[in-house]
Amino acid sequence: QSVLTQPPSVSAAPGQKVTISCSGTSSNIGNNYVSWYQQLPGTAPKLLIYDNNKRPSGIPDRFSGSKSGTSATLGITGLQTGDEADYYCGTWDSRLSFAVFGGGTKLTVL
Amino acid sequence: EVQLVQSGAEVKKPGESLKISCKGSGYSFTSYWIGWVRQMPGKGLEWLGIIYPGDSDTRYSPSFQGQVTISADKSISTAYLQWSSLKASDTAMYYCARHTDSLETADYWGQGTLVTVSS
Repeated sequence: QSVLTQPPSVSAAPGQKVTISCSGTSSNIGNNYVSWYQQLPGTAPKLLIYDNNKRPSGIPDRFSGSKSGTSATLGITGLQTGDEADYYCGTWDSRLSFAVFGGGTKLTVL
Repeated sequence: EVQLVQSGAEVKKPGESLKISCKGSGYSFTSYWIGWVRQMPGKGLEWLGIIYPGDSDTRYSPSFQGQVTISADKSISTAYLQWSSLKASDTAMYYCARHTDSLETADYWGQGTLVTVSS
């Protein structure tokens, strides 16, 4: 069981918007920055969002992140079939003293 | 360009030892933490531990403490993950990733090393 909680799956039609939630506690999300990773089938994870809401160079602004209290959210607008992937949230847990991930959310673009 | 290049796939028998590698380039290898992440078949990401190549400071997830050893050779910009006695349950894809100063973010990832343990 993962320290951070994500829904197992979400789906939406092409062109629509989807959000993926990530729930934690005060020792992880509540007091540390959250990152989001995209893992396309058969590939390594890639950083999508860092420091709650910042995008690395090359990540389109269709991807956004936010945090409130002990929860974080990834938003994806203008869905494309190429966005079908597993998405993971991650952060540091100050009490456990190691990095933690959510269980992952599989995005299906119908 | 920052790159992490991992060693190739391995097939081992239970009880055998193994050391896989992760070579960094395009940045100051001694200035960033390197973490190791496990992904079992069809499952999510699990963090094993992390090392700071500058001084070899190493931290492990309690779930993996004593099960694996993380090390680094800064002279060749390479981090390692090793097992002394593999089990079938170690079968997984293993990724290395560079962490930012705050440790909260893994900004660059290796391509992964598939380890298969089977008799």
